[in-house]
Amino acid sequence: DIQLTQSPSFLSASVGDRVTITCRASQGIHNYFAWYQQKPGKAPKVLIYTASTLQSGVPSRFSGSGSGTEFTLTISSLQPEDFATYYCQQVNTYPLTFGQGTKLEIK
Amino acid sequence: EVQLVESGGGLVQPGGSLRLSCAASGFTLDTYEMNWVRQTPGKGLEWLSYISSRGTTIYYADSVKARFTISRDNAKNSLYLQMNSLRAEDTAVYYCARGAISTFGGVILTNSFFDSWGHGTLVTVSS
Repeated sequence: DIQLTQSPSFLSASVGDRVTITCRASQGIHNYFAWYQQKPGKAPKVLIYTASTLQSGVPSRFSGSGSGTEFTLTISSLQPEDFATYYCQQVNTYPLTFGQGTKLEIK
Repeated sequence: EVQLVESGGGLVQPGGSLRLSCAASGFTLDTYEMNWVRQTPGKGLEWLSYISSRGTTIYYADSVKARFTISRDNAKNSLYLQMNSLRAEDTAVYYCARGAISTFGGVILTNSFFDSWGHGTLVTVSS
């Protein structure tokens, strides 16, 4: 199975900060990769797919990059509504897998 | 509006069975590949199973293989997950999720990400 390792697991930041979350895959997954945001009590919501494509309706402060085994999610200027947990996902190979999550908290 | 609504969760004893349903509306189910994902309390997401649009291709996570069965009834716009031999570690919120169709480099990709999710249904396995 393809393992996804996210870092950091916890991140404390302030409104207006630029933050980056990294996800490393245990083997190459091309660009078949997505990022999700989840808030407490809610289902995940896709932000980025095919590694760098912004989902319709998602603010442009979110961006994704990477290919192969290393991927990043960047939030250019944190807004209060961005404090949530973020997950990466690979859709290259079954079983599909998610990263363990990064909880983004207010400093 | 695309909507997925799960039902069928509840309290079940270890070794018992449950059947989850996911009712789809706002789109034609037979166009889309579908998935089940679960989330244990306070923990991360675990993909469980995939079914192709016509039900001809199915995949499972090792953790549920041979115990869970995914199925669909496109005529009823419904997805199902039959869960047998339930264990305490199966306690979780279970989500159905639609596989999105996208294009990349001119190639059409199916199940390329999950673009719609239900609200989830809680399954608790306990004596």
